[in-house]
Amino acid sequence: DAKTTQPPSMDCAEGRAANLPCNHSTISGNEYVYWYRQIHSQGPQYIIHGLKNNETNEMASLIITEDRKSSTLILPHATLRDTAVYYCIVSRPSGNTPLVFGKGTRLSVIA
Amino acid sequence: DSGVTQTPKHLITATGQRVTLRCSPRSGDLSVYWYQQSLDQGLQFLIQYYNGEERAKGNILERFSAQQFPDLHSELNLSSLELGDSALYFCASSVGWSRSSGANVLTFGAGSRLTVL
Repeated sequence: DAKTTQPPSMDCAEGRAANLPCNHSTISGNEYVYWYRQIHSQGPQYIIHGLKNNETNEMASLIITEDRKSSTLILPHATLRDTAVYYCIVSRPSGNTPLVFGKGTRLSVIA
Repeated sequence: DSGVTQTPKHLITATGQRVTLRCSPRSGDLSVYWYQQSLDQGLQFLIQYYNGEERAKGNILERFSAQQFPDLHSELNLSSLELGDSALYFCASSVGWSRSSGANVLTFGAGSRLTVL
């Protein structure tokens, strides 16, 4: 699976949009981009995934560049409860491929 | 509540001992994954089972073993415990790869915190 690069930490003001970048320049054509987050020591929580098109759900939006070498997770109105470590993962479309977590980005939402 | 149940939540034991961690997947999920998270290593994939069969193996130590039973629950056995085995152990489950969504979304449990003294 392709490797991802994320900034180690970011701050965001409460109520503003949080934009978390991820580089995956070696991504293959059939690999998906997944985003998970982990609040404190809780179990990681799935946020969103995508292949080529931009995706939106009730939690966030995922913007994937046309060349698919990078993506951005957008939390439109960050709250204090969004403070967490956010993981960007690239993985093949297979039920037998486990997700490999990197170090992620520690997002701190500040009041 | 994610639907993935892990027991026990906390466990304190001594070096050299053996423990068993249990995971019940979400209803309908056939795959179970085990991950270890220690302070200096991050989330490390250990092993995956699908419908009772081992499907993928990560950096799982020989002292560790796992299995998935016919009712789909899974157990992770850790033996000859060392101080360095102190960690959070997460179980995750998934239905498997979905042709419609193109994704293999994992749902994680709350974890079992193991402390080896």
